[in-house]
Amino acid sequence: GQQVMQIPQYQHVQEGEDFTTYCNSSTTLSNIQWYKQRPGGHPVFLIQLVKSGEVKKQKRLTFQFGEAKKNSSLHITATQTTDVGTYFCAGVGGATNKLIFGTGTLLAVQP
Amino acid sequence: DGGITQSPKYLFRKEGQNVTLSCEQNLNHDAMYWYRQDPGQGLRLIYYSQIVNDFQKGDIAEGYSVSREKKESFPLTVTSAQKNPTAFYLCASMIGAPGFKPQHFGDGTRLSIL
Repeated sequence: GQQVMQIPQYQHVQEGEDFTTYCNSSTTLSNIQWYKQRPGGHPVFLIQLVKSGEVKKQKRLTFQFGEAKKNSSLHITATQTTDVGTYFCAGVGGATNKLIFGTGTLLAVQP
Repeated sequence: DGGITQSPKYLFRKEGQNVTLSCEQNLNHDAMYWYRQDPGQGLRLIYYSQIVNDFQKGDIAEGYSVSREKKESFPLTVTSAQKNPTAFYLCASMIGAPGFKPQHFGDGTRLSIL
């Protein structure tokens, strides 16, 4: 079945450093969504990318959708302690119309 | 305010017992979902419903059951057949086709075995 993997599983950075998480799907995706889950909380929608090669920015966050629509990345510039949490990608692809969540990347930011 | 309400926040299950997790939404969303999240892991789909009186199994439906008698409500029953029920359970809803609109999540229910 369709699998969506994220790397790294865990990243620890000093406040002010940059951070990137990568999302890779075993099948071509119709689109990709990104969610953030704070510790003890629930996932909150951040953004959706639809077009091949699309890049979107939200303040210090940059999201990219690969040309082949099988991978995506989230880059955070100059991390802050408020960025702490697990970042999930999610996409619909293959023969299914279900949203498949990636394995997530836990970001820890040391002040 | 519109949103998704899950209850209870914490739940304990005894051996051989069925327990039901509540999920109610007032967003007028057609589709509702149940996910299971184990520590340090992603979300796995248990069941989903795209319309009242209809639901489909997700990837890990064994040991769980659902009903969708009302648009607003999608309760999940964890049966005694689920041998490892300890997890964080998240309910979500959305409007439109999967993947093209955001999913909105409730605050979750943490289920543990006594």
